[in-house]
Amino acid sequence: DTGVSQNPRHKITKRGQNVTFRCDPISEHNRLYWYRQTLGQGPEFLTYFQNEAQLEKSRLLSDRFSAERPKGSFSTLEIQRTEQGDSAMYLCASSLGSGTTDTQYFGPGTRLTVL
Amino acid sequence: QKEVEQNSGPLSVPEGAIASLNCTYSDRGSQSFFWYRQYSGKSPELIMSIYSNGDKEDGRFTAQLNKASQYVSLLIRDSQPSDSATYLCAGLGDTGRRALTFGSGTRLQVQP
Repeated sequence: DTGVSQNPRHKITKRGQNVTFRCDPISEHNRLYWYRQTLGQGPEFLTYFQNEAQLEKSRLLSDRFSAERPKGSFSTLEIQRTEQGDSAMYLCASSLGSGTTDTQYFGPGTRLTVL
Repeated sequence: QKEVEQNSGPLSVPEGAIASLNCTYSDRGSQSFFWYRQYSGKSPELIMSIYSNGDKEDGRFTAQLNKASQYVSLLIRDSQPSDSATYLCAGLGDTGRRALTFGSGTRLQVQP
């Protein structure tokens, strides 16, 4: 499978714990994005990388959230001191990075439940 | 006010009919638009992209863009029960911003 992959697919944690998600983009894609989606809503943008550089962050990305993309390959999203409001589907997408209209392709997502 | 608006539905059509899904946007700087299909519990799957005013056809799907009216639509011809899903409209802003702005989606039900 050459699509975007995400791990784990499901994560259940207790409030206050830290969690980390991983995303592996399509191999030739140099742009990588994180979104969050709650029930009945469309995905909301969190952050975006071009290669290893984090170029854009949403105000949704509080200081409890941190994302990295070392070496411009896979990316991790860490949430510290999780809260029940963090329960959502966390989606990763990647794109080729050519021009202004490049298309984003989504991975299967990681569903987080905070108890 | 959300930047991309969609009717949440559900939109119910009989099998074989044309389903028409609509989306309006407020950011006049938006250059590109995308339609994604999302089955319950799954991630969004790209159906079509459209960048220029007019129609773009791909198989049973036709996307329409009218930048003057800030309106995007998706037509699904010969609707099948397997088309039953939530359809997300997304816009990409002006140069330099790479974040997609999504609507809340329209739920489509195709009745066999």
